[in-house]
Amino acid sequence: RKEVEQDPGPFNVPEGATVAFNCTYSNSASQSFFWYRQDCRKEPKLLMSVYSSGNEDGRFTAQLNRASQYISLLIRDSKLSDSATYLCVVKASSGDKLTFGTGTRLAVRP
Amino acid sequence: DVKVTQSSRYLVKRTGEKVFLECVQDMDHENMFWYRQDPGLGLRLIYFSYDVKMKEKGDIPEGYSVSREKKERFSLILESASTNQTSMYLCASSVGGYEKLFFGSGTQLSVL
Repeated sequence: RKEVEQDPGPFNVPEGATVAFNCTYSNSASQSFFWYRQDCRKEPKLLMSVYSSGNEDGRFTAQLNRASQYISLLIRDSKLSDSATYLCVVKASSGDKLTFGTGTRLAVRP
Repeated sequence: DVKVTQSSRYLVKRTGEKVFLECVQDMDHENMFWYRQDPGLGLRLIYFSYDVKMKEKGDIPEGYSVSREKKERFSLILESASTNQTSMYLCASSVGGYEKLFFGSGTQLSVL
């Protein structure tokens, strides 16, 4: 089983739609969770951290479910500029390296 | 803004050649990383370094070595390039507990 698993997509949605991605992780000792965004032919960039109580940044909401070992990213009111690959990232413990999922591709159409 | 600069955007080498990929960061970050990214496999960590002259193996170090003689520079070396090392190579840096990585724009290496 992969350490971090994501549905590769693509998720094709119209502008204005709400879309959600899930990511599961296998190590129950994982401590820190993140979503990175990667545009086509560009480098990954940190989108947001995921906190235990859930957190929001504008149209983006991230949630953590430790019992079921998954994190989610919800995007409301999708924009064309949201089209990208979203990478789920997990860190096992303090000082440990990051493990990246293979990414979920989102395509927002006009 | 942090800038992580990789020396080449595209590189074509022949099997058996020694290849150097250079990475420089300008924010005095302690930690530097080399990843490769392949379709369907995601980003995989090759080597990382948390200090000058220090290095740690990542998940796939075989066939690679690294050098960190100065804090701002982290080099990835392919001692004898092989076709299965054709990939996108991404360098990254971070401060503190590795959580926010700043990536360079990547080097697409083709080994023929």
